[in-house]
Amino acid sequence: GQNIDQPTEMTATEGAIVQINCTYQTSGFNGLFWYQQHAGEAPTFLSYNVLDGLEEKGRFSSFLSRSKGYSYLLLKELQMKDSASYLCAVRDRGHYNQGGKLIFGQGTELSVKP
Amino acid sequence: ETGVTQTPRHLVMGMTNKKSLKCEQHLGHNAMYWYKQSAKKPLELMFVYNFKEQTENNSVPSRFSPECPNSSHLFLHLHTLQPEDSALYLCASSPNYGDLGTDTQYFGPGTRLTVL
Repeated sequence: GQNIDQPTEMTATEGAIVQINCTYQTSGFNGLFWYQQHAGEAPTFLSYNVLDGLEEKGRFSSFLSRSKGYSYLLLKELQMKDSASYLCAVRDRGHYNQGGKLIFGQGTELSVKP
Repeated sequence: ETGVTQTPRHLVMGMTNKKSLKCEQHLGHNAMYWYKQSAKKPLELMFVYNFKEQTENNSVPSRFSPECPNSSHLFLHLHTLQPEDSALYLCASSPNYGDLGTDTQYFGPGTRLTVL
């Protein structure tokens, strides 16, 4: 079956580094996405990984290990505005190798404290 | 602004009402999606349209009826809903559906629906 797991909540201090983990089980992995969602707003795209390794984009980096079914999102130099929900999503081809719908985790609510 | 707009932003309706949610994308994308987001639950895919054709129906009850008249517009018609249908309904679009690498989905701000 399909399963995406990530912690429900995390708290970190302004200026610090935080790592949000995501583990997944799917039948036809075809890429992993991270989205940021502020309360009452649309999810916005942060990063995409399809090959193993680290992708860096400014203060945000995302890592993928396909053999372990594991990804993390790393946020550096945390700012108060980074307080949001972070959604891990896996593109799944499914058993019949068609399409590519996104399967979302429940999201990790990150609170950044002064 | 993601290039995907949704109206209305908030909707309160009774169980016997009929209403429609509207989504419009200005990105030239070919695929559009409806998602349901309930508190403390993952985003749930409801429907996918690719080149105006429905390609996914994720076992959604018939009281939700989608319509895609063209690649830029997507509607969700609602009738005889239940209180448990109260949620945030998000629309998204992507260049194409599925298997093309970085086919990122762009989300609208959502419609907050309350069913009394």
